[in-house]
Amino acid sequence: SQQGEEDPQALSIQEGENATMNCSYKTSINNLQWYRQNSGRGLVHLILIRSNEREKHSGRLRVTLDTSKKSSSLLITASRAADTASYFCATGGNGGSQGNLIFGKGTKLSVKP
Amino acid sequence: DADVTQTPRNRITKTGKRIMLECSQTKGHDRMYWYRQDPGLGLRLIYYSFDVKDINKGEISDGYSVSRQAQAKFSLSLESAIPNQTALYFCATSDPGRLGYTFGSGTRLTVV
Repeated sequence: SQQGEEDPQALSIQEGENATMNCSYKTSINNLQWYRQNSGRGLVHLILIRSNEREKHSGRLRVTLDTSKKSSSLLITASRAADTASYFCATGGNGGSQGNLIFGKGTKLSVKP
Repeated sequence: DADVTQTPRNRITKTGKRIMLECSQTKGHDRMYWYRQDPGLGLRLIYYSFDVKDINKGEISDGYSVSRQAQAKFSLSLESAIPNQTALYFCATSDPGRLGYTFGSGTRLTVV
């Protein structure tokens, strides 16, 4: 069963605007990760945030984590056409188990030039 | 060369046929995974292996089997393919110390 649920399912913005995607999950986690997938290709790891962290930055990416609300957000600033892709959140250490990553259904981002 | 290589990239097969998807990695990771991706459903875990002697079922293992031939090789088999196994299949690896997964480019499988 899905653990993470991304919101919105699809997002269309203009180049230069910021894009915000949200992820909610159900059980306790050890970490939460975000991945990007270009159409039909493999997923690429973007950023990881641990359960004891609240915010993390990597270049134009900013991730927040609110464990009390079981939610995370991914912000892409100053978006570019090349950011067009699907973005997935994935949770690790679900329910306290060593376990595996459980992926959400993804947000499809379209950045128009 | 890619860190995680999947073969074949595309495959069309007939219902009832046995098919094997292969995955090899040069990352030196102990952990390997097979996921399938369907439109609107995200990625779902089929099988995973934490080392050569460790094989575990994932969320949707029915109709599939796996073999971990070596640390670097993890193959997925469909014993008798059916049309609802048409999907994009991904192999991934991870290192327990780093947590992030490295994915292959995927195998697009069509069962007719």
